Amino acid sequence: KAGVTQTPRYLIKTRGQQVTLSCSPISGHRSVSWYQQTPGQGLQFLFEYFSETQRNKGNFPGRFSGRQFSNSRSEMNVSTLELGDSALYLCASFSRQGADTQYFGPGTRLTVL
Amino acid sequence: AQSVTQLGSHVSVSEGALVLLRCNYSSSVPPYLFWYVQYPNQGLQLLLKYTTGATLVKGINGFEAEFKKSETSFHLTKPSAHMSDAAEYFCAVLGETSGSRLTFGEGTQLTVNP
Repeated sequence: KAGVTQTPRYLIKTRGQQVTLSCSPISGHRSVSWYQQTPGQGLQFLFEYFSETQRNKGNFPGRFSGRQFSNSRSEMNVSTLELGDSALYLCASFSRQGADTQYFGPGTRLTVL
Repeated sequence: AQSVTQLGSHVSVSEGALVLLRCNYSSSVPPYLFWYVQYPNQGLQLLLKYTTGATLVKGINGFEAEFKKSETSFHLTKPSAHMSDAAEYFCAVLGETSGSRLTFGEGTQLTVNP
């Protein structure tokens, strides 16, 4: 079974721009969660999607948004980028419930200049 | 709200020595507990998880952890460290009221010396 795929792996943007990150879950998984990882704040939950519906949302500003498509692929978007948005963005795929094993992708490294 | 505390942001051991990474959690409901490992420039890989049942959980790569409710702890151990164990380790908790949201500890960087 193929693992979780995240594209692109690396991105460099400038302040004020917007960015879209993509996550393809493991085949058969209908849930996707997103996390932001930074040296200062650690791993923080962004949001979770199940069957195209946002089921949970973390404490991030409205500049951070996401969606999930009918094939379970998910995208997250960050508008008006700030320097502090530089981070590793991780996507996790799981079957349905959180107690199910959550499989993480390799992440997208975003650098904001 | 649940929280996780990992004692020691850096742990250094010699190859062949015991690895002990500490994790304490706070949760108002019986939690699900996880240990993940992260190698440089990679995502998180699940080592083991506790949901219900046996409190001693065995994972991959020779790691195991014991859930101790009375101590609210879930420490990770490995009897004999290998150079390939050098990585960052994260403890995470999932409470029943948090849906599928994992709350992670700050992480512990494990160094293995030859």
